Amino acid sequence: KNEVEQSPQNLTAQEGEFITINCSYSVGISALHWLQQHPGGGIVSLFMLSSGKKKHGRLIATINIQEKHSSLHITASHPRDSAVYICAAFQYGGATNKLIFGTGTLLAVQP
Amino acid sequence: NAGVTQTPKFRILKIGQSMTLQCTQDMNHNYMYWYRQDPGMGLKLIYYSVGAGITDKGEVPNGYNVSRSTTEDFPLRLELAAPSQTSVYFCASSYAGTARLAYEQYFGPGTRLTVT
Repeated sequence: KNEVEQSPQNLTAQEGEFITINCSYSVGISALHWLQQHPGGGIVSLFMLSSGKKKHGRLIATINIQEKHSSLHITASHPRDSAVYICAAFQYGGATNKLIFGTGTLLAVQP
Repeated sequence: NAGVTQTPKFRILKIGQSMTLQCTQDMNHNYMYWYRQDPGMGLKLIYYSVGAGITDKGEVPNGYNVSRSTTEDFPLRLELAAPSQTSVYFCASSYAGTARLAYEQYFGPGTRLTVT
C-alpha cells in the first residue's frame, strides 16, 4: 500500500462542474502539498497546507489532520484545468525533509 | 528570478553511455532534490542535498551520482545508462523545513531521457 493514495486516478468532467480530488496518507506529516502538472509540462505548486482550508481563485484545498485526509476542489471547472493533480506529504525527518508523492489524478475537463 | 532551470530538455542515450543532467536554482535555497517520474508512478526521490558539500541518497539512487559544490548547482550524473533509466527527471529546490514549518518545493521543467 502506498503511503500517499489519491482518488480517483482518472476524472472526466464537463465544463462548469464542481470537482473533488481526494488524498489519504498513512504517515506522519508536517504539511501536505497539492501540485499541478500539465501534459508535457513542469510541476507547479498549488497549495501547501498543514491545517484547515486554503483558497486560491477557483481552487480550494482542505486538510483533516486527524483523519489524514485532504481534498482539492475546483469550482466552475474549465478545460484549462485539465492536468494531472498530485498530492505530496511533507515528512520532516530531522536533517532531512522529504516529499512522498501520490501517483496523481488525471483530470480532463471537456467543453 | 529564473527559478529552477534544467538542461537538456530532451536526450536520447545509448545503453552504456554516460551523461550529466544539469540543475541550477537562483533562489538561494539550501535544499535541492532530484526526482524521476515513470508513467503511472509517483515521483521518486533519487538524491537530495541539504547544502553545498552535503548529499544523500533517496529511494532510488542506484545508477546515479550527484555532487553539490555550490548552493546554486546540483548536477545528476548517469554512468553506464540502462533502459530502466528511461524516465522524466525533475530537479527541485526549497528552503529547509522544520517539524512545524514546511516550505514548498520549486520544480524545474524536467528532462525527458530515453535510453535505447
